[in-house]
Parts: sequence; C-alpha cells; structure tokens
Amino acid sequence: GENVEQHPSTLSVQEGDSAVIKCTYSDSASNYFPWYKQELGKRPQLIIDIRSNVGEKKDQRIAVTLNKTAKHFSLHITETQPEDSAVYFCAASIGADKLIFGTGTRLQVFP
Amino acid sequence: DAGVIQSPRHEVTEMGQEVTLRCKPISGHNSLFWYRQTMMRGLELLIYFNNNVPIDDSGMPEDRFSAKMPNASFSTLKIQPSEPRDSAVYFCASSLGGARGYTFGSGTRLTVV
Repeated sequence: GENVEQHPSTLSVQEGDSAVIKCTYSDSASNYFPWYKQELGKRPQLIIDIRSNVGEKKDQRIAVTLNKTAKHFSLHITETQPEDSAVYFCAASIGADKLIFGTGTRLQVFP
Repeated sequence: DAGVIQSPRHEVTEMGQEVTLRCKPISGHNSLFWYRQTMMRGLELLIYFNNNVPIDDSGMPEDRFSAKMPNASFSTLKIQPSEPRDSAVYFCASSLGGARGYTFGSGTRLTVV
C-alpha cells in the first residue's frame, strides 16, 4: 500500500547548526508534500509545503527540496534555535484529498 | 476564525462504555478528516468526508468505530464499546479540499481504563 518513510526518528543538534530530515514516498502520483511541526501536547501545524512542479521552496530558515524521480523530499532547517525543538512530520498526497504521514522526527536543539 | 474545534479535550472512560468525540471544522472547508495518534503507529487516517459524504473509511479499525457528518459544521467519531487499546489522541482536521494542507484541531486525549 501507499506509505511514507521518514528518517531519522530522532535528531539532536547544537544551536546554530543545520538539521535535515528526509522522507521517501511510494505513490508516483503524489503531487503535494507538506511538513508539519508538533510541539509537545499541541496540534500538528503546517510549516511549509511544496508541489510537484517545484524542486525547492524556502521560507526564512526552513527550506524543502523535492526529487520526483527518486521520490524523495527533505526539510532543511538552518541556524537552529531551541524553539525549533519539536516533532516534525512529512506527508504526501494520495488521490485527490488524502495525506499519508511519515512516522515523525523528534528534533532536539541544545543551547 | 476559531480554527478547528474539538471536544472534549480529555476523556477518561471505563472499558465497555460508549465514547463520542466531536469536531467543528473551519467554516468553508469542504473536507474533514479524523486521525488517531499513538506512539507506536504515529498519525493514522481513520476516515474522511468531502461535502459531508464519507469518502474513505478504510482506516477505521473495526466495527466499534463509526463516524458521521450530519452537516457542514459538525462531525462525530463514536467508539462503542471502548477498549483500553483505543487510548490515543484523536485529531480532527479540515481543509479546502484537493491537495492542500490541513488545519488540525487541538485533539482529544482518550484514556480507556
């Protein structure tokens, strides 16, 4: 069935360093790839997304890249700050409306 | 805009009891989704609706789970009878439909003892 694999499951970085989270999807028809940030005890919140007609998108310190041929997409966070600490989920669209989520990456940024 | 509103925020119930979770989507959003989040299985899609019609319920774990959307501003997820393994955070989300990001509600943390 359709699935999204996400790596790593945990990631620890020093404040100011970069963090990269990678996802692989299985459905070649997927055309929308959002990323969500979930702080402890809170709801997942959309932080950035990319569509299949674009290879890269940037918003301040976060960027997402997409390789449709390899069915890979990645989240890049530069100049990490302690408030970036959270669980990050990637997702890929399935059909017209559904999103399938990755298993999440727990990012810890140490001051 | 109050966002997606879920109630209750927390629910503790005894095994065998009926549980009803409620969701009010963002006004104007055509699609509504129910997800379950656990440490072991992550975010699982249970069921989703387009224009109040159930489109895909393949994620509903078993017949004890049912969901309804009687109108565009309200949906329920019911578990009857509840079991301890149903303990999880249940999120409702809505979107404008099509390939767009969802807005999640605050979730209902369900504990079945």
